[in-house]
Amino acid sequence: KQEVTQIPAALSVPEGENLVLNCSFTDSAIYNLQWFRQDPGKGLTSLLLIQSSQREQTSGRLNASLDKSSGRSTLYIAASQPGDSATYLCAVTMDSNYQLIWGAGTKLIIKP
Amino acid sequence: EPEVTQTPSHQVTQMGQEVILRCVPISNHLYFYWYRQILGQKVEFLVSFYNNEISEKSEIFDDQFSVERPDGSNFTLKIRSTKLEDSAMYFCASSVPVGEKLFFGSGTQLSVL
Repeated sequence: KQEVTQIPAALSVPEGENLVLNCSFTDSAIYNLQWFRQDPGKGLTSLLLIQSSQREQTSGRLNASLDKSSGRSTLYIAASQPGDSATYLCAVTMDSNYQLIWGAGTKLIIKP
Repeated sequence: EPEVTQTPSHQVTQMGQEVILRCVPISNHLYFYWYRQILGQKVEFLVSFYNNEISEKSEIFDDQFSVERPDGSNFTLKIRSTKLEDSAMYFCASSVPVGEKLFFGSGTQLSVL
């Protein structure tokens, strides 16, 4: 059974710092991996999607990497801003049924 | 930018009552999904829907749950007899092809009293 783990559960850093969020998964039979952002009481916004054949994807200050064989992904946020404060969720799409299996998220606080 | 719309944003109901959660997916999307998130827990898959039928469902999606696409735009989740443990945020999502980028609505917070 696929398990997705995110470390750390919470992170608080000063504005301007570069930071890395980690995601690991136990079953490498994935179709793709997505990083989402969740703001309190709001929906889930897809940030980056990495296909299983890809190594990384970039969007603005965000860069996500995928090492499928080791079951790991990282989300790198450059030059963090207070507006980046949110919970970041990692989810893998299973090859077998295209269901998304989610991590518990990393709650990120960027201090001004 | 097109978006997925969910109504209502909050729903309070008594245990045993039926509720219908409504969603309008993005118009050219073909695959529709319901996920839920119990407070403090992970997001969980409930069901996926394609071509007017369920394509996948989880163990959570038992006989108390049903989905329907009654017309060309709406996608609904019905819970026939709500339980306390059904209290959660319910998210609707849609995608063009299966397994690709999902677009989520802002959710319906369901509280069962």
